[in-house]
Amino acid sequence: QQQVKQSPQSLIVQKGGISIINCAYENTAFDYFPWYQQFPGKGPALLIAIRPDVSEKKEGRFTISFNKSAKQFSLHIMDSQPGDSATYFCAASGDSNDYKLSFGAGTTVTVRA
Amino acid sequence: DAGITQSPRHKVTETGTPVTLRCHQTENHRYMYWYRQDPGHGLRLIHYSYGVKDTDKGEVSDGYSVSRSKTEDFLLTLESATSSQTSVYFCAISESMGGSYNEQFFGPGTRLTVL
Repeated sequence: QQQVKQSPQSLIVQKGGISIINCAYENTAFDYFPWYQQFPGKGPALLIAIRPDVSEKKEGRFTISFNKSAKQFSLHIMDSQPGDSATYFCAASGDSNDYKLSFGAGTTVTVRA
Repeated sequence: DAGITQSPRHKVTETGTPVTLRCHQTENHRYMYWYRQDPGHGLRLIHYSYGVKDTDKGEVSDGYSVSRSKTEDFLLTLESATSSQTSVYFCAISESMGGSYNEQFFGPGTRLTVL
């Protein structure tokens, strides 16, 4: 079964709005939580990542919020732009699975101009 | 795409035929991976390699085999293709498999259709 559950499956946001994608995991041994961004016809690319020793990480308009006790983490895209329209995948890894990445099912974000 | 090429980029084949997909990297990264991407499933690991001739299974390895005879090349073989193997296949590479050094770089993908 999928070790990382991601929601929603898709979302539409207006330009300038906030996009929020949520992920949940069960394996408490996970200690690395990256987000990948994928444009149509391309391979995924690392967007931002967080370790569980911090509760938030921000890079530009992208922020990861991490809640260790709830075993949840989320991606916030502030001031969403049409160029942010893509599929976003959360992932997790840890020594319990030999650091192999377990991916969520993906969220397709559409930003309307 | 970080010095990763995949060939072919598109392939249509018939059920029961063998198919080999190739991944080539110019980054000299130790680890290489094969994933398949399907709607509703995200990316699922098929096989990975941690060095020349060193490979291991991922979560969806049945019906697939791999080989790595050179650092730069990682081959994925579908021994007898089935319609359930219709998918987009991605190769990825990384320098290591631990924590923040585990950034994986993905190739452009191969779209495989099995009729």
